[in-house]
Amino acid sequence: KNEVEQSPQNLTAQEGEFITINCSYSVGISALHWLQQHPGGGIVSLFMLSSGKKKHGRLIATINIQEKHSSLHITASHPRDSAVYICAVLYWGSRLTFGEGTQLTVNP
Amino acid sequence: DAGITQSPRHKVTETGTPVTLRCHQTENHRYMYWYRQDPGHGLRLIHYSYGVKDTDKGEVSDGYSVSRSKTEDFLLTLESATSSQTSVYFCAISGGVTMNTEAFFGQGTRLTVV
Repeated sequence: KNEVEQSPQNLTAQEGEFITINCSYSVGISALHWLQQHPGGGIVSLFMLSSGKKKHGRLIATINIQEKHSSLHITASHPRDSAVYICAVLYWGSRLTFGEGTQLTVNP
Repeated sequence: DAGITQSPRHKVTETGTPVTLRCHQTENHRYMYWYRQDPGHGLRLIHYSYGVKDTDKGEVSDGYSVSRSKTEDFLLTLESATSSQTSVYFCAISGGVTMNTEAFFGQGTRLTVV
């Protein structure tokens, strides 16, 4: 069982829809990263969270430390948001562990 | 991307040949990692390092070895490449001295073993 669980694994949406991707982890962490990877591309860090909420453009990331859960939201989704979104946690001692990723497809 | 580079970015090699991939960082981060990414499997940890000459195995370490002789460089070696090692390899770093929640990711190396 992966220490980091992401859901859903695959998500198809229509342009304009509100999208949520979830990430759960099992033990205390120092930080959580949301990452984006376009097909054939490198990995880009979208957010680093250790508490609360962050917003950048149409992207919002939240984390609940007590519940060991984080969500990534995309408002007014667009076909260019189509990518794999990956949750990665930094456990105390700084070891990185990745979730399996969520393949998002936004259709026009 | 901040101070992490992988080389080469693309490589085609023959079965049975040795291959070394290099991850270089200029961030002075403590931890360095090698992952492979394959369809349907996400990112799987091969080996990681928590300091110079300190390394440990990940979940898919068979057929791979690593070395870290200085903070900046983490080398991944395939002693005798096999077709099952065709993959995209990513390096990552974490554990900065001033901001230990940072993590950065390399651009990836596409390796094809024919």
